[in-house]
Amino acid sequence: GNSVTQMEGPVTLSEEAFLTINCTYTATGYPSLFWYVQYPGEGLQLLLKATKADDKGSNKGFEATYRKETTSFHLEKGSVQVSDSAVYFCALPYNFNKFYFGSGTKLNVKP
Amino acid sequence: DAGVTQSPTHLIKTRGQQVTLRCSPKSGHDTVSWYQQALGQGPQFIFQYYEEEERQRGNFPDRFSGHQFPNYSSELNVNALLLGDSALYLCASSLVAGKTNTGELFFGEGSRLTVL
Repeated sequence: GNSVTQMEGPVTLSEEAFLTINCTYTATGYPSLFWYVQYPGEGLQLLLKATKADDKGSNKGFEATYRKETTSFHLEKGSVQVSDSAVYFCALPYNFNKFYFGSGTKLNVKP
Repeated sequence: DAGVTQSPTHLIKTRGQQVTLRCSPKSGHDTVSWYQQALGQGPQFIFQYYEEEERQRGNFPDRFSGHQFPNYSSELNVNALLLGDSALYLCASSLVAGKTNTGELFFGEGSRLTVL
């Protein structure tokens, strides 16, 4: 069946450090892939997405590339800020906007 | 443009009670999905409503039921509450596949349910 696995947190970084959050997936076919972010006390919001293999999604300095050969969609940012502190979820849509979410990776960025 | 709104934001119930949570979708959206997010976990799909009918259901017992109204708003009902039902309940709206479907869900801030 479809599933998403992402690295466990929390991840603690200093401001301006490089960020990678790993995400791998299992799916039938080649679905779109998403990263959602949840800031403290808020609901989830879309961070970026990629709709086909080798696509790169990007937003707010974050990037993720859809790698079919490794079934991965790792999230990266070159220089994190304190305001990036949040929980990040990798997500796989299946069957008309039904989504599978990873367990989430909490990012703490210290000044 | 109003986003997804949910009520109440917090509530406390005791075991065996019943609860109703409410959701108004983003303007222009016709599909509402409900997710349960336990502490420290990712959201788990409960069910999805479109055209006032339940279209898809996740692995949740029949104690979880819902409804969608003609104005696309929705309710989630949970009967015979258990301690394990304590969670953040998220409502997400979208357009049904085939209607300018970007595949994106728009989430409300959630209703945090505590069962004592």
